[in-house]
Amino acid sequence: DVVMTQSPLSLPVTLGQSASISCRSSQSLVYSGGNSYLNWFHQRPGQSPRRLIYKASNRDSGVPDRFSGSGSGTDFTLKISRVEAEDVGVYYCMQGTHWPPFTFGQGTKLEIK
Amino acid sequence: EVQLVESGGVVVQPGGSLRLSCAASGFTFDDYVIHWVRQAPGKGLEWVSLISWDGSSTYYADSVKGRFTISRDNNKNSLYLLQMNSLRVEDTALYYCASGRYSHGFDYWGQGTLVTVSS
Repeated sequence: DVVMTQSPLSLPVTLGQSASISCRSSQSLVYSGGNSYLNWFHQRPGQSPRRLIYKASNRDSGVPDRFSGSGSGTDFTLKISRVEAEDVGVYYCMQGTHWPPFTFGQGTKLEIK
Repeated sequence: EVQLVESGGVVVQPGGSLRLSCAASGFTFDDYVIHWVRQAPGKGLEWVSLISWDGSSTYYADSVKGRFTISRDNNKNSLYLLQMNSLRVEDTALYYCASGRYSHGFDYWGQGTLVTVSS
């Protein structure tokens, strides 16, 4: 199984500052055609997860452009510029290249300082 | 708009059985997949199972293989079931139904249904 490792696991951020979350996979996630099937999700307290980014760098409809995804192969990053109060919660990466099983990272908890 | 509504979560004793349902609606494309993803209290997300829109393909996590069965209701084409047998304490979790056009998508999520396995 592909192991997804996120860092940091806890991320205190000042409002208006930027934040960055790393996600590394134990195998390359590049599939035929060059796509890496790497999703980023955000889960606010008491809510269901919501997908933010798909195929490593494509932002979902309605997701603010403050969120950006990058990376390929085994190293991926989610960057949030100008953090707002609504961005608190847990962020998960997930790989969809080598399945089953689909595997998630441990989660990174973003909180406001 | 795609909607996923889960139901069926209750408190059950270890070794017991339970059936969860996921009612899917609003798809604008003919083919999609349905996933079950679970989240134990205070923990992260764990993929459980996948079924193709027509029920022809199914996949399971090793942790549930042989105990859980995913299927499509033959009488209600957009109702997807997760039959859970030989339940263990460690199966206690909020079970989400998720979907998308592609297996790797997970575009849409329901609100979840809580399964508690306890004596």
